[in-house]
Amino acid sequence: QQQVKQSPQSLIVQKGGISIINCAYENTAFDYFPWYQQFPGKGPALLIAIRPDVSEKKEGRFTISFNKSAKQFSLHIMDSQPGDSATYFCAASSKGGSEKLVFGKGTKLTVNP
Amino acid sequence: ETGVTQSPTHLIKTRGQQVTLRCSSQSGHNTVSWYQQALGQGPQFIFQYYREEENGRGNFPPRFSGLQFPNYSSELNVNALELDDSALYLCASSLSVANTGELFFGEGSRLTVL
Repeated sequence: QQQVKQSPQSLIVQKGGISIINCAYENTAFDYFPWYQQFPGKGPALLIAIRPDVSEKKEGRFTISFNKSAKQFSLHIMDSQPGDSATYFCAASSKGGSEKLVFGKGTKLTVNP
Repeated sequence: ETGVTQSPTHLIKTRGQQVTLRCSSQSGHNTVSWYQQALGQGPQFIFQYYREEENGRGNFPPRFSGLQFPNYSSELNVNALELDDSALYLCASSLSVANTGELFFGEGSRLTVL
């Protein structure tokens, strides 16, 4: 049973464009939603996270939009750069933090120069 | 400040064998979690250790076991290896079990079971 569904599986964007990755969840007990970035040969690294008491969080070029009623959240990367090319994972937890994270299957982002 | 380090980075085993993977948590972190990442998939939670005790477990059979030592380093042991155990095993540390922030991942140990 996949508790966090992520789409698309892969995404190709031109430099300067907007990358959008979507996730949906079923478990209404989830209360912490982080996004992780993973480069080949490396472990995932936290990019940005949100809790359900806010609908949007922005950090630099990265924004999380959160829709509690639809049980969906998305990552927007503005002004995408070739260095952003990586695999992105959404995740969720019902423990209020990083305990027992449930990850999506990942989105491989390629930003062409 | 050293990050999370894992060893070995790569290893090959055959079905039925046993394997031990090791992890040193980031300085000051007392909580360690282990995740399994199959090729092309997201990480799956195996278990978490806090103060040398298991503190939560995912949907993995008992042949997956772990330890945490007084210095907060950790081991993941897998007995009776199966082909489907082939994956990247990630260790992650965090400041405390009550931490509401970040997991710091190591680069993983890639296990191939033949």
